[in-house]
Amino acid sequence: DGGITQSPKYLFRKEGQNVTLSCEQNLNHDAMYWYRQDPGQGLRLIYYSQIVNDFQKGDIAEGYSVSREKKESFPLTVTSAQKNPTAFYLCASSDRPASNYGYTFGSGTRLTVV
Amino acid sequence: QQQVKQSPQSLIVQKGGISIINCAYENTAFDYFPWYQQFPGKGPALLIAIRPDVSEKKEGRFTISFNKSAKQFSLHIMDSQPGDSATYFCAASELYGTDKLIFGTGTRLQVFP
Repeated sequence: DGGITQSPKYLFRKEGQNVTLSCEQNLNHDAMYWYRQDPGQGLRLIYYSQIVNDFQKGDIAEGYSVSREKKESFPLTVTSAQKNPTAFYLCASSDRPASNYGYTFGSGTRLTVV
Repeated sequence: QQQVKQSPQSLIVQKGGISIINCAYENTAFDYFPWYQQFPGKGPALLIAIRPDVSEKKEGRFTISFNKSAKQFSLHIMDSQPGDSATYFCAASELYGTDKLIFGTGTRLQVFP
């Protein structure tokens, strides 16, 4: 089955730690996205990548970093500079243009700071 | 200008009733308007989408109404069922832009039997 796999499903981070969230897709999509979901705030774009080895900041990129070394993989690192990282993180991918095909989302990673 | 405003934040509907969720936007360059449905603990899934060349699109019990002059669009769920209980997000993007979707803040729909 084609789809997007996010791992882990739950992640706990201590203060000052960097953590990396995994996102893998086997849909052969060019574009990939990371969104953060907080109650009452909808989905806010962190980073997106339209092609391998290229990515752009979204609306809330501070404290996050990404890489896109392979078409199927788009990992997100939440750094210690992100002051409020507790949230539900969603990875998505799309063929281009996305308006023809829509986004396919993963099942998310819930990150909690302990 | 990049915002999509969504209302209401939550909605309670009786089984068989009509659920209506509204969205408004400012950016006139937006020309693709999808709706996503999200169940608890899951990622959103594309439900239905519209482009501004039509004023309405219907798929089963789900209808998008689009008012280009008012820069508003809405989702109507006819004969609402308990299985429709979920969070719904409207979104918008530019057809020939970066493919970035700008999402509304979401509406939590609860349908009671």
